[in-house]
Amino acid sequence: QSVLTQPPSVSAAPGQKVTISCSGSSSNIGNNYMSWYQQVPGTAPKLVIYDNNKRPSGIPDRFSGSKSGTSATLGITGLQTGDEADYYCGTWDISLSAVVFGGGTKLTVL
Amino acid sequence: QVQLQESGPGLVKPSETLSLTCTVSGEYIDTSTYYWGWIRQPPGKGLEWIGCFFYNGDAYYNPSLKSRVTISVDTSKNQFYLRVNSVTAADTAVYYCARCYVAVAGTLIDSWGQGTPVTVSS
Repeated sequence: QSVLTQPPSVSAAPGQKVTISCSGSSSNIGNNYMSWYQQVPGTAPKLVIYDNNKRPSGIPDRFSGSKSGTSATLGITGLQTGDEADYYCGTWDISLSAVVFGGGTKLTVL
Repeated sequence: QVQLQESGPGLVKPSETLSLTCTVSGEYIDTSTYYWGWIRQPPGKGLEWIGCFFYNGDAYYNPSLKSRVTISVDTSKNQFYLRVNSVTAADTAVYYCARCYVAVAGTLIDSWGQGTPVTVSS
């Protein structure tokens, strides 16, 4: 059971927009910056969003992040087949004194 | 651009010690900006943070693993290490070494190695 809760899967057609939610508590999301990671099957995770809504160099502006209270959302617009991957949210948990991740959401681009 | 590469045995016997090495290029391990850490991913499952370690000895470990885990560094080789004692089948996973950015408002993993699979089996 993950500390952060994500939907197991989401899907959308190419060119469309999708959002992935991440729910937590005041000990994690509510009081710390959020990060999002993309993991294409068979490869290592890659940071796509940090500090709630910032994109590392090389990540297209089709990727966006937001946070409100104890929930966070990853948004991807103009979906491409190359966006098919597992997406994980992550943050620091003050109570656990640990980095915590969501269980991951599998994105399918139909 | 920092690069991280894991190495170590792919098979460990139950009750023995798992030992992995991460070789870092493109960044000095004794940087004042970053910690260095490990994350693992059991087959078909999600990510589990193991810990992040600063070259001067400051460290954060997953409380659920803390009693069995040690992370250390060798600045002369620009490498850092993971040791997990008394392993069981539950420690079977792909192990990633990573660069951790630790700040007041949270910790994030901004660079990852390619991962190395470790199986615990007799």
